[in-house]
Amino acid sequence: IVLTQSPGTLSLSPGERATLSCRASQSVSSSSLAWYQQKPGQAPRLLIYGASSRATGIPDRFSGSGSGADFTLTISRLEPEDFAVYYCQQYGSAPNTFGQGTKLEIK
Amino acid sequence: EVQVLESGGGSAQPGGSLTLSCGASGFAFSTYAMAWVRQAPGKGLYWVSAISGSGGSTYYTDSVKGRFTISRDGSKNTLYLQMNGLRVEDTAIYYCARCSGTKNRYYFDYWGQGALVTVSS
Repeated sequence: IVLTQSPGTLSLSPGERATLSCRASQSVSSSSLAWYQQKPGQAPRLLIYGASSRATGIPDRFSGSGSGADFTLTISRLEPEDFAVYYCQQYGSAPNTFGQGTKLEIK
Repeated sequence: EVQVLESGGGSAQPGGSLTLSCGASGFAFSTYAMAWVRQAPGKGLYWVSAISGSGGSTYYTDSVKGRFTISRDGSKNTLYLQMNGLRVEDTAIYYCARCSGTKNRYYFDYWGQGALVTVSS
């Protein structure tokens, strides 16, 4: 399954709302979709699994939604530490695959 | 606290070999599948290989089948990736990650800091 993330780069200011999209080339089984955040020089961090469940310790300003082939990660009110690259990953069909990433940068 | 820590990265020539290790702590190692995910310089994430908690099932992406071998030692809480026949395109940071899910339908809930593997002549 090929995952396409959009936009490639998103320029926003702290306090604004961010909406990131992940579209699959076919339906993702059982909403098996995860989101990760990666900051420069750091390992990825799991944010969301099962399309909408927040991982341990993830603030509630992060939320995931969607089903089938269209998924969204929403950050309700951007904090300075949220500017990073975000990846979606589907694990409903083997092999699991990642999207190419969306870079969220400060405007 | 869950921790995974990679070691063994370095440089190799095309056709050469390297072995990565990943030490795990803070969780019942033998009850979790583990995986390797790599990231080429400036690129995105790419799943490489996974192994079930018991070690009885292993999975590989097509590009490394027959060249890489994943294994684990429950007595040492350690995951390994033996890489043979290395190619320039294998150059990447290799992350060790704990898996959640079943039967190679995994997402990755804890990640190590990564080990850099460079393949060049």
